Amino acid sequence: GEDVEQSLFLSVREGDSSVINCTYTDSSSTYLYWYKQEPGAGLQLLTYIFSNMDMKQDQRLTVLLNKKDKHLSLRIADTQTGDSAIYFCAESRYYGGATNKLIFGTGTLLAVQP
Amino acid sequence: DAGVIQSPRHEVTEMGQEVTLRCKPISGHDYLFWYRQTMMRGLELLIYFNNNVPIDDSGMPEDRFSAKMPNASFSTLKIQPSEPRDSAVYFCASSLQGGAHEQYFGPGTRLTVT
Repeated sequence: GEDVEQSLFLSVREGDSSVINCTYTDSSSTYLYWYKQEPGAGLQLLTYIFSNMDMKQDQRLTVLLNKKDKHLSLRIADTQTGDSAIYFCAESRYYGGATNKLIFGTGTLLAVQP
Repeated sequence: DAGVIQSPRHEVTEMGQEVTLRCKPISGHDYLFWYRQTMMRGLELLIYFNNNVPIDDSGMPEDRFSAKMPNASFSTLKIQPSEPRDSAVYFCASSLQGGAHEQYFGPGTRLTVT
């Protein structure tokens, strides 16, 4: 299908690692993204990975990309209560001509228990 | 930079009224996007502009919706007449590079149509 899919909810304890998963659909996507949305706020770009990479690490964040399975994951090490938010994965999808759009997943609500 | 600025932050209006949402993109960004976020449909791209020109408006739900970008620092999304099903959070985003890449979101306008 055309949907970018994520699990709806993840609960972890403070200090543990969180892994948020995403499956996307367009094998030709150039970039894949992770955005964070805190309550009442807009989406904040966390990180992105180029499609020819398998892994990208940025401080506490690790992005893994499995192109064969069209699977993307975001690992947050040493999860803090401030990490509680909704996390969206997104793929850039080319529609021809000058049209290139971000297609967002359904979002995963991460709840961090103290 | 102040980031993407949207106004108003909250709008409550009665069915049938005209609603105008405003956005100021990040200075120097050539692309501007309007999104709508609802619980049922998630985050949907409505329209986007490149250098003030609408590139793709296929996401605009119907003729009641219109968007303009009269100059590089200002865009409006207008709904006339508004209906209760238009209630949502409307986000504006801007980006510097090609289209979908590295979009920066505003805080959103929460619209309630009664």
